[in-house]
Amino acid sequence: LAKTTQPISMDSYEGQEVNITCSHNNIATNDYITWYQQFPSQGPRFIIQGYKTKVTNEVASLFIPADRKSSTLSLPRVSLSDTAVYYCLVGDIPGNYGQNFVFGPGTRLSVLP
Amino acid sequence: ETGVTQTPRHLVMGMTNKKSLKCEQHLGHNAMYWYKQSAKKPLELMFVYNFKEQTENNSVPSRFSPECPNSSHLFLHLHTLQPEDSALYLCASSQKDGTENTGELFFGEGSRLTVL
Repeated sequence: LAKTTQPISMDSYEGQEVNITCSHNNIATNDYITWYQQFPSQGPRFIIQGYKTKVTNEVASLFIPADRKSSTLSLPRVSLSDTAVYYCLVGDIPGNYGQNFVFGPGTRLSVLP
Repeated sequence: ETGVTQTPRHLVMGMTNKKSLKCEQHLGHNAMYWYKQSAKKPLELMFVYNFKEQTENNSVPSRFSPECPNSSHLFLHLHTLQPEDSALYLCASSQKDGTENTGELFFGEGSRLTVL
């Protein structure tokens, strides 16, 4: 079971780019890297998923180096509404969303005006 | 609107009460999940249902009883709970083709449970 490590909290200001790095040293060959966002008293929401190199969508970018032992979620020009907890998960997707897909404590991002 | 609807959004119950949480997904998915999120703790997987059949029970106490009558509905029946069971209970769904997921987990907004 691949374990992830990410900073507990981060602060940023509106308009800045935010990069949240996640370590997953024992990632397996079949594992994908997935990021979710959670606002208070709501369920997590999928942001982005990748296997290697770089993935970009309308919300964020995900950078994955060749060794795949870490990944970086990049949020361009954050706003106050991006204040949330961000979870990095590693798992055999599309294999299993069960016990092998573990949510850690996440990174609490606070965006300040 | 997330496509996964949970009711009630808030519930207060005594330790001797029996209540149920309901989840309905409007996404045509065939896998459903219950998660528990206690204050200051990560999400914990409770149960997994694939095609209405329970495939995972993460050592959940029997005072929590899930029911999945069809692929669109999931219930969590609550009986004789303890104050430490107070938490946000989240339902999620995903689409599986055979044994493989074809997309992400979609979560509902949760049911905030307080046990007095």
